[in-house]
Formats: sequence, structure tokens, C-alpha cells
Amino acid sequence: EADIYQTPRYLVIGTGKKITLECSQTMGHDKMYWYQQDPGMELHLIHYSYGVNSTEKGDLSSESTVSRIRTEHFPLTLESARPSHTSQYLCASSALGQGAGANVLTFGAGSRLTVL
Amino acid sequence: AQSVAQPEDQVNVAEGNPLTVKCTYSVSGNPYLFWYVQYPNRGLQFLLKYITGDNLVKGSYGFEAEFNKSQTSFHLKKPSALVSDSALYFCAVSHLTSGTYKYIFGTGTRLKVLA
Repeated sequence: EADIYQTPRYLVIGTGKKITLECSQTMGHDKMYWYQQDPGMELHLIHYSYGVNSTEKGDLSSESTVSRIRTEHFPLTLESARPSHTSQYLCASSALGQGAGANVLTFGAGSRLTVL
Repeated sequence: AQSVAQPEDQVNVAEGNPLTVKCTYSVSGNPYLFWYVQYPNRGLQFLLKYITGDNLVKGSYGFEAEFNKSQTSFHLKKPSALVSDSALYFCAVSHLTSGTYKYIFGTGTRLKVLA
């Protein structure tokens, strides 16, 4: 079944640790996104990609980095986690091409990160 | 500046009553309009979208939305609310800027349906 998967769903780590949040989609979508969302609050775009080897920063400044080596995979990395990084991170994807503006975002279930 | 407004942080409605969740937008050109729903500890799920044509759009779970160009609004509606509709609802617009389409999300409205 075509879907978008995020791991881990929940992560509690100490300050200074390096973490990678994984995101994979099986829909063949070219566009992928990372949003940051405090629980029950608005979404902030932190990174996006239009295809392999293409990454851009979003509207909200973030200390995280992303890579897009394969179409289906868009991991997000924090080199040194801090308590201010505690949040929920949502990965999403959409198709690119004709009608792209009307294309629906498909979201993963989210990764809830807590940094102590 | 381009923006999407959801003026109500929370909407309470009794089960069986009609519900409306409001959304207005300020975007140049002809944007595409969307509603998404988020249940606790989940990502967002697509409900419906307006592209062109009939101003009343029908979507998942009995929801519909009415596009009003003169009022730049896209309110979400349902004739009879269910307790299971309780969730966080996001309005969004996709608009063309600098040659690419970008999404703008509203701040979300929490819907609480009371039994």
C-alpha cells in the first residue's frame, strides 16, 4: 500500500546527542517536506525538496539539516539536540508536475522528539 | 503578505447539530484551497479541496466546504456533527509564487463535538 512512514514515532534523548528522523514514501512523489509543529499548534515549514539532490530551507529557521539522495527517502538530522528542539516533526510528500498546485499533501504520522 | 486566517481557536458543537469552521485567505491570484484534519498524535489527513467550478465542494466523512470568492472565504461545514469529528482542522492554500506552488496553512481550529 502506498504510504509515507516516519520513524521513530517517539524519541527522548539528552542534550548534545545527534539524531536522525527518518521519512520514506512509496508513492513515487517528487516533492517532500518537513514541518515542525508544537502539539496542537500551527505547522511551520522547515525544509523541502523537489527531487533528488535538491533541498531548500523553509519559512522557519531550523538548526536541522536534510538530504535527498533517493526519491523515496528524506531524513532530517540534528547534529546536537537541545531542549528548544522539543517538538513534533511531520514529514509530507506530494506529486510534482501538471496540476502541481492542486496536489494534495500526504503526511506521515509524525515523530515526537523530547530533548532533556 | 499572503496569509490564511482561522479566526476561531476552538469551536464547540452538540452532536447532531450542524458545524462550521471558518477560514479566510489573503492571497494574490487564484489559489487552490484545502482542508486537512489532524487527530491526536497523528499527521494531517486530507479532507477536501477546491480547484475550480462548483463553489460547494464535498469531501471525506460527510464534510463539505463553500468557496466564496468575493469574501475570500472557504468555510468547512457538516450538516450533522459526530463526536468522532472532534479533532484539529487546518485550512490551507496553495498559490503560485516565484514559479512554484507553495502551501500556507492556517493556525488550526480545534473542533469539540459534545455528546
